[in-house]
Amino acid sequence: AQSVTQLGSHVSVSEGALVLLRCNYSSSVPPYLFWYVQYPNQGLQLLLKYTSAATLVKGINGFEAEFKKSETSFHLTKPSAHMSDAAEYFCAVSERTGTASKLTFGTGTRLQVTL
Amino acid sequence: DAGVTQSPTHLIKTRGQQVTLRCSPKSGHDTVSWYQQALGQGPQFIFQYYEEEERQRGNFPDRFSGHQFPNYSSELNVNALLLGDSALYLCASSGYRASYTFGSGTRLTVV
Repeated sequence: AQSVTQLGSHVSVSEGALVLLRCNYSSSVPPYLFWYVQYPNQGLQLLLKYTSAATLVKGINGFEAEFKKSETSFHLTKPSAHMSDAAEYFCAVSERTGTASKLTFGTGTRLQVTL
Repeated sequence: DAGVTQSPTHLIKTRGQQVTLRCSPKSGHDTVSWYQQALGQGPQFIFQYYEEEERQRGNFPDRFSGHQFPNYSSELNVNALLLGDSALYLCASSGYRASYTFGSGTRLTVV
């Protein structure tokens, strides 16, 4: 079974600082990888996805992630944090069984942005 | 274009009761998946419906059941509610070559 591990349940950065949220995956086949953001009392919004094309994936709101097969990592970065980036972030891997697929999520990283 | 719509947004039930949650998928999507997100955790896959059939199921007891209708909308039913069933229930729809789109969820509280 595929899995993801998010290192750091809480990350705090200053406004304008680099954001780095870590995700490592485990998969026996080339994975599809995703980052989602969740604001309080809301559902999940897709930030970006990797589907075996370019290894550097650009997403919404200035976020990007780099797929590194040798490190089994898919870390999320943003050059300059904004107060509005404060939210919960989830890394997920898509696991296919026959014709069906499901997402397996990490436990999440809460990003706090301070002045 | 409406996204995924879930109802109700909040629900309070008593232990032992039964609950039904509803989901309307995004236009053009034919597959509906349900996830349970306990407080402070990542979402956990419950099951997926396609062409009105349960196509895949996660590690959830039979108390959790579902249905998909011809218009692709879906229901999640939970019987004999336990306190541990309190969670945010998320519906996600998808289609051919289309990524998952999540609804805002139904917050279920079991007292």
